[in-house]
Amino acid sequence: GQQVMQIPQYQHVQEGEDFTTYCNSSTTLSNIQWYKQRPGGHPVFLIQLVKSGEVKKQKRLTFQFGEAKKNSSLHITATQTTDVGTYFCAGRAGGSNYKLTFGKGTLLTVNP
Amino acid sequence: EAGVVQSPRYKIIEKKQPVAFWCNPISGHNTLYWYLQNLGQGPELLIRYENEEAVDDSQLPKDRFSAERLKGVDSTLKIQPAELGDSAVYLCASSRWTGKADNEQFFGPGTRLTVL
Repeated sequence: GQQVMQIPQYQHVQEGEDFTTYCNSSTTLSNIQWYKQRPGGHPVFLIQLVKSGEVKKQKRLTFQFGEAKKNSSLHITATQTTDVGTYFCAGRAGGSNYKLTFGKGTLLTVNP
Repeated sequence: EAGVVQSPRYKIIEKKQPVAFWCNPISGHNTLYWYLQNLGQGPELLIRYENEEAVDDSQLPKDRFSAERLKGVDSTLKIQPAELGDSAVYLCASSRWTGKADNEQFFGPGTRLTVL
């Protein structure tokens, strides 16, 4: 079945440093979504990428979808303590199966 | 608008006991999902409803889990009997399905189940 892998599993940074998490799928994806889950909270939608090579920005966050639509990345510039949480990617394979498969997430901690 | 509502927020039961979780999605959202999330893991889909129809229940352990969404609005997920390995957070999510592409899923706060 479809597998979505994320690395790293954990990342600890000093406030102001950059952060990147990578997502890789075993199959070609029709789209990928990113969610953020704060400690003790629930996943909150950040963005969806659909097109090959797509790049989207939200303030300090930059999301990329690979040309082959099998990988994606989330980059945070100049992290802040409010960025703490687990970042999940969730991908959907093509075809009629609309199931989103979530990765295990990357837990980001930020030292002030 | 009000978010996805789930109850209870926490539940502690002994193994072999039954348990039920309730979810009320965002008004107007025709698609409802139940996920299971273990500590340090991503959400895993248990079942997806489009209106009142379960369109994907392939990951639902049907020997002990059941779900219903009778009127296409709120939903109940039941486990009977519960096992120790069922301890996890059960998340409900909803989205407005347009039939063209995925839409963002709105998650509820979850129910944390502890089976002793």
